[in-house]
Amino acid sequence: EIVLTQSPGTLALSPGERATLSCRASQSVSSTYLAWYQQKPGQAPRILIHGASSKASGIPDRFSGSGSGTDFTLTISRLEPEDFAVYFCQLYGTSYTFGQGTKLEIK
Amino acid sequence: QLQLQEWGPGLVKPSEPLSLTCSVSGGSVSSSSYYWGWIRQPPGKGLEWIATIYYNGDTYYTPSLKSRVTISVDTSSNLFALHLSSVTAADTAVYYCASGWYRGWVDYWGQGTLLTVSS
Repeated sequence: EIVLTQSPGTLALSPGERATLSCRASQSVSSTYLAWYQQKPGQAPRILIHGASSKASGIPDRFSGSGSGTDFTLTISRLEPEDFAVYFCQLYGTSYTFGQGTKLEIK
Repeated sequence: QLQLQEWGPGLVKPSEPLSLTCSVSGGSVSSSSYYWGWIRQPPGKGLEWIATIYYNGDTYYTPSLKSRVTISVDTSSNLFALHLSSVTAADTAVYYCASGWYRGWVDYWGQGTLLTVSS
């Protein structure tokens, strides 16, 4: 079973700063099947990125995804107040698993 | 645009079985375009994928829960269900039903239903 490990667990930044979130797989995975979600308190998650780098519909340009093999990154270029939330990476396709999440909080 | 609505008992006693149901609107559970799944989130913790079922009846279960979980589809009522045998306190969580394009990411989520396991 592939395990996804996200780092850091918590990231404290200020609005306007750049956020870099990491997701590492325990073995190489196809980038076709790597997604990122955002979850705010009391809400279901929403899809941000699929296929490692493809933005979902309606997602602002400040969000971008990259990576391949075992290392994947979600970057938020300039943080807006509404971006402070928890972010999860996910493997999908033939097996399904989530990373444990990164909490992005206001510094 | 799919809409999912899950419901469940809210409170279950330890060792009892659990059944959750997800009603689907805006699409058919018989469609080959979608998969149907369940995800849970213990309070204050991360997401855990539980199970997936496809239009052809194929299923996927997360290994740690495989022995206790069954996912099924009811085409006559356009819903799908999760059955979990012999719950423990560790099964306390918000349970989400979810869907997306075949073998894709999650595009659609229910609002979540809190299940508490307590005597």
